[in-house]
Amino acid sequence: AQTVTQSQPEMSVQEAETVTLSCTYDTSESNYYLFWYKQPPSRQMILVIRQEAYKQQNATENRFSVNFQKAAKSFSLKISDSQLGDTAMYFCAFMKPNTGNQFYFGTGTSLTVIP
Amino acid sequence: DTGVSQDPRHKITKRGQNVTFRCDPISEHNRLYWYRQTLGQGPEFLTYFQNEAQLEKSRLLSDRFSAERPKGSFSTLEIQRTEQGDSAMYLCASKGVTNEKLFFGSGTQLSVL
Repeated sequence: AQTVTQSQPEMSVQEAETVTLSCTYDTSESNYYLFWYKQPPSRQMILVIRQEAYKQQNATENRFSVNFQKAAKSFSLKISDSQLGDTAMYFCAFMKPNTGNQFYFGTGTSLTVIP
Repeated sequence: DTGVSQDPRHKITKRGQNVTFRCDPISEHNRLYWYRQTLGQGPEFLTYFQNEAQLEKSRLLSDRFSAERPKGSFSTLEIQRTEQGDSAMYLCASKGVTNEKLFFGSGTQLSVL
């Protein structure tokens, strides 16, 4: 079974600063996908960024980027120029394709951006 | 693309009652998932459909839970004889065949009194 671990239950960052959220996972698979989802107080889960395991290049989406270390099974999210709207729960997720495409989620990190 | 919609947004029920939730996925998505999320936790997989076929069920899905997707479009999740431990957010998500992105609805918040 796949497990996803987020060791930081809560974090805070000053507006305009940079913050990094940690995620590690455990799998014996070589081909898989990793995701970061954001869940604001509205509870709507929103995809932030995704990474294919076979790609060495780290994914970036505007102010969001990842540090994907496949050998270490680490997948951290960096948020640059933090904005108040970034305040939310952030979930790291793992998906193994072609086996029902089940997504496995971590327990989340609650991020607060301080004005 | 109207997104994934769920109905109702909130449901309050008494222990022992039956409840049913509905999910309408993104129209071209053939895969539909149900997740349960409790406060402070990430979503936990319940079950998964490809078109109308229910292909996988988690052991979290007790006999009191049943899900259907009769025409491969919308899905329903029914909980019979609800218990207080069933109180949670029930999330529906869908994805297409060639796209690995999972799109979520806003969820149904169930409170069992």
